[in-house]
Amino acid sequence: SYELTQPPSVSVSPGQTATITCSGDALPKQYAYWYQQKPGQAPVLVIYKDSERPSGIPERFSGSSSGTTVTLTISGVQAEDEADYYCQSADSSGTYVVFGGGTKLTVL
Amino acid sequence: QVQLQESGPGLVKPSDTLSLTCTVSGYSISSGYFWGWIRQPPGKGLEWIGSIYHFGSTYYNPSLKSRVTISLDTSKNQFSLKLSSVTAADTAVYYCARGPAQLERDRFVYYYMDVWGKGTTVTVSS
Repeated sequence: SYELTQPPSVSVSPGQTATITCSGDALPKQYAYWYQQKPGQAPVLVIYKDSERPSGIPERFSGSSSGTTVTLTISGVQAEDEADYYCQSADSSGTYVVFGGGTKLTVL
Repeated sequence: QVQLQESGPGLVKPSDTLSLTCTVSGYSISSGYFWGWIRQPPGKGLEWIGSIYHFGSTYYNPSLKSRVTISLDTSKNQFSLKLSSVTAADTAVYYCARGPAQLERDRFVYYYMDVWGKGTTVTVSS
């Protein structure tokens, strides 16, 4: 079955830039999406179609894609950005949805 | 403002069928979008269970497909999940979500979840 691979954890100091990667063989053919999940809360969409930002999401959140890797970048990280982040995409044939294993972002 | 609310039993016995309903307010589910179910076992990541398009076609996680049924009730503006033959491994927080999507020849061009319910905890135990 198809898998998306994320680093389990990323740590960054306030004000610095956090980068979270997601790798998968089908990513050149399928869009990627990113969700932020804080403890006890439902996920929130922060990036869609690789690099589009929904209304209400701060500009410091951005996404990019290169080959089999997509990246979520958070510029000028704030304490409130501490959360789990999940990438999501579809398999190469576009018949089922997959989530990455999640990355815990710690703001030091 | 679109809102989704999950409901159903919080405790299910092993080998029984788990049944959950998602009630949608602020939007008619027959008008568009995919409507899906996602779950999260305690301390673990998100797992897509399956989704149903507004005109009724369904897509399921291959690993769960033999046990899952998702259906629409447009008269009540609800959609439902049934998961049969549950075990302790099915213990999780279950979320419903709305999904913008585009299909081409029944395959996703894009599909993501833009509005989520708060989630409901289901425990499988005797």
